[in-house]
Amino acid sequence: DTGVSQDPRHKITKRGQNVTFRCDPISEHNRLYWYRQTLGQGPEFLTYFQNEAQLEKSRLLSDRFSAERPKGSFSTLEIQRTEQGDSAMYLCASSLAPEGEQFFGPGTRLTVL
Amino acid sequence: QKEVEQNSGPLSVPEGAIASLNCTYSDRVSQSFFWYRQYSGKSPELIMSIYSNGDKEDGRFTAQLNKASQYVSLLIRDSQPSDSATYLCAILQNTGFQKLVFGTGTRLLVSP
Repeated sequence: DTGVSQDPRHKITKRGQNVTFRCDPISEHNRLYWYRQTLGQGPEFLTYFQNEAQLEKSRLLSDRFSAERPKGSFSTLEIQRTEQGDSAMYLCASSLAPEGEQFFGPGTRLTVL
Repeated sequence: QKEVEQNSGPLSVPEGAIASLNCTYSDRVSQSFFWYRQYSGKSPELIMSIYSNGDKEDGRFTAQLNKASQYVSLLIRDSQPSDSATYLCAILQNTGFQKLVFGTGTRLLVSP
């Protein structure tokens, strides 16, 4: 039984570049979440998918951010024209039920130079 | 007022002692509460979930929930140096969909 996986684990980019992260949830989990965590803070919600439908987006998700979950399986999070303030750990979580426990992947640590 | 509040610590306890971690929340509607453990540089790992008032025990961990006081706690018995980590309290906020709202975490240090 594999857990949530994320790729890449680390990404260093220059300001202004585009980056894309991938998340593979636990198989059969139909709910997928993206969170962002900065040093000394708890994770903050970014967006939520139920199957392939993106049902909620945080105001933290500016128009430079876009997320997809084609076919309700893996998900991608793209950041366009990266800024230094985008440097953070991007976490993906999945769950099976509405009130269910959310399980996190290892995260993608983004550094924008 | 923050939605989920935790003392940032560090909370220092000797090996073998009981560590008590506390969390208060402001959303009276929340029904689901979680404790995650996070080692430095790693992602959060779910260790306990609790949904009803009272205590829930799992091994060395006990979660306690008091909805009237909007308070949830985590007790770690027989603390080990390997328990040294940041413990994140999270509530499931049900506002048409379910998202976790986290506190900033309490850093626990267990000394040998």
